[in-house]
Parts: sequence; C-alpha cells; structure tokens
Amino acid sequence: NAGVTQTPKFRVLKTGQSMTLLCAQDMNHEYMYWYRQDPGMGLRLIHYSVGEGTTAKGEVPDGYNVSRLKKQNFLLGLESAAPSQTSVYFCASSPKRGANYEQYFGPGTRLTVT
Amino acid sequence: GEDVEQSLFLSVREGDSSVINCTYTDSSSTYLYWYKQEPGAGLQLLTYIFSNMDMKQDQRLTVLLNKKDKHLSLRIADTQTGDSAIYFCAPGGYQKVTFGTGTKLQVIP
Repeated sequence: NAGVTQTPKFRVLKTGQSMTLLCAQDMNHEYMYWYRQDPGMGLRLIHYSVGEGTTAKGEVPDGYNVSRLKKQNFLLGLESAAPSQTSVYFCASSPKRGANYEQYFGPGTRLTVT
Repeated sequence: GEDVEQSLFLSVREGDSSVINCTYTDSSSTYLYWYKQEPGAGLQLLTYIFSNMDMKQDQRLTVLLNKKDKHLSLRIADTQTGDSAIYFCAPGGYQKVTFGTGTKLQVIP
C-alpha cells in the first residue's frame, strides 16, 4: 500500500514551458487535492476533485489546469510556466466520511521555473 | 473564504511544554485538524478535534477548542527534539480544509 505518490519529485522548467504533475493514490479515496506551499503562506488550495470526472477551483487556480479521468489519479498541468509558479506542490486525498475530510499527503514535487 | 492565522515561529527547550495557537474565522467547521510537517516531507495528520468538544488528549498532545473565540491550540508536553517541525492548524469546511500559515517549532536541546 503506497498511499499517495507524486511524480516527479523535482523539476526545473524555463519560463513558457509546460508540464504535468501526476498524483496517484491506492486507497480508493473519493476526494483529491492539489496544493502549493510557499514560505510564510502555508498551503494554498489550487484545484480539487470530489470524484472521478469532476474538478473544482480552489483558492489559487489561475495558470493551472487539472483532470481526474481515473479515480486513483489526479493530474496538475501548467500550460505556460511562470517564475511565480516556483513552489513545492503537494497532492492529497481524502475518503468520503461525512464531514471528516482528513487528508493523506504525498511527498511533494519541488518545481523551479527560471 | 476562511482565514486561519498562526504565529510563524516558536522556540522551546527540550522537556518543556509547547503551545501552538491558531485563530480562524469560519464557525461552521465540524472537524479541526492539526498536521505536522517534517523537513522535506509531506504533511501528516497529528490529531483532530470534533467541534462539539472543547478538549481532546492523546498521549503528549492536548488540543483545546474555544468555539466562541474561534481559537484552537495544540499543547505538546515534554517536548523532544524529534518534535521539531512545522505544525499546521486546519479547520475543515465543506469538501475541503483550510490550512494556516504553519508554526515552525524549534526545540533547543
């Protein structure tokens, strides 16, 4: 049982390049989330999904797109990377248990945009 | 949206108690969580409290909730060097949670 995994662990992009971050979970969780973590700002929600085929915007969605074609995978795309997107990205998943949204986190992806 | 505030830094001596405080704005949170992040790692759930409780104890951890003042605190008794980490307060909302800025706990041997 691997829990939540993220690919890749590190990446350096040039401004304007595109990339996709992959999140996978093997716990059969309904909900999945993408966050970014910046110094002094905690975790900010980018996009999330409450089930296969559904996505919703979080607090900071601009410049990112997501897809959830399979229940176990949640992809985060950057179409045209900008230096402001330099950050550590975390994926999380949560089972559907009433009002309890306890989250299980992946190890993170450190992205640098030059 | 929900605002969650924490002080950024706390330094304590090994063996002392640590108290990390959090204030939030959304009174409708049903579950309120504390997460721990060690260097270079993702977040791990430490404990949580249900909104109809005012205190929860779990070994060295004590969570206090003051719903009227929208104040949550985490007390770590007998703080050890292994407790050095960033601690996040995270009130739960509808389908998601909101994370505070995190408090970096430094434990001095």
